[in-house]
Amino acid sequence: GQNIDQPTEMTATEGAIVQINCTYQTSGFNGLFWYQQHAGEAPTFLSYNVLDGLEEKGRFSSFLSRSKGYSYLLLKELQMKDSASYLCAVSNDYKLSFGAGTTVTVRA
Amino acid sequence: DTEVTQTPKHLVMGMTNKKSLKCEQHMGHRAMYWYKQKAKKPPELMFVYSYEKLSINESVPSRFSPECPNSSLLNLHLHALQPEDSALYLCASSQIHRGGTGELFFGEGSRLTVL
Repeated sequence: GQNIDQPTEMTATEGAIVQINCTYQTSGFNGLFWYQQHAGEAPTFLSYNVLDGLEEKGRFSSFLSRSKGYSYLLLKELQMKDSASYLCAVSNDYKLSFGAGTTVTVRA
Repeated sequence: DTEVTQTPKHLVMGMTNKKSLKCEQHMGHRAMYWYKQKAKKPPELMFVYSYEKLSINESVPSRFSPECPNSSLLNLHLHALQPEDSALYLCASSQIHRGGTGELFFGEGSRLTVL
């Protein structure tokens, strides 16, 4: 089975940094994805980690530790448009299972 | 072209109706997916097609019937649905890599309301 945990909500100020943690316990592992989803819209891909370490992509970075079953998504220089739900998802064969999502609210 | 196109965007149907949701991609992806998403919940996997064959059915009730006519198209046939089936239905596609999926590209979804 899959168990993917992430915080429900986070609030931060414009220009700040926020780190969203994700822990997982899964029966198999082929990689970990982070998706962003604005209310009423489809999820959009942010990052993918399959090996341990940090992947940096502009203002967004994602880290993975497979031995600890742990990942985080780091959002830097927060902008108002970053207010959204951030979904951690674990891939196992052809199944991509999502965590419940973290709603990030960016305040001016 | 990196789009997954879903039609219709909105659908209202009665419990005795038969309707279909359609999904199309032209990225050459050989895996296609149906997800169901309720408000403020994450997407839940329903079906996976790989190389046009059904590879995963997550114990979905038979009132939902998927079909993959070719590598670009994915349908979801709906019959005798219940009000609790009202949700956003997301189609996605991905390449197939050894050992699993690549990045999933999602369509904008079909918002279904069952009266």
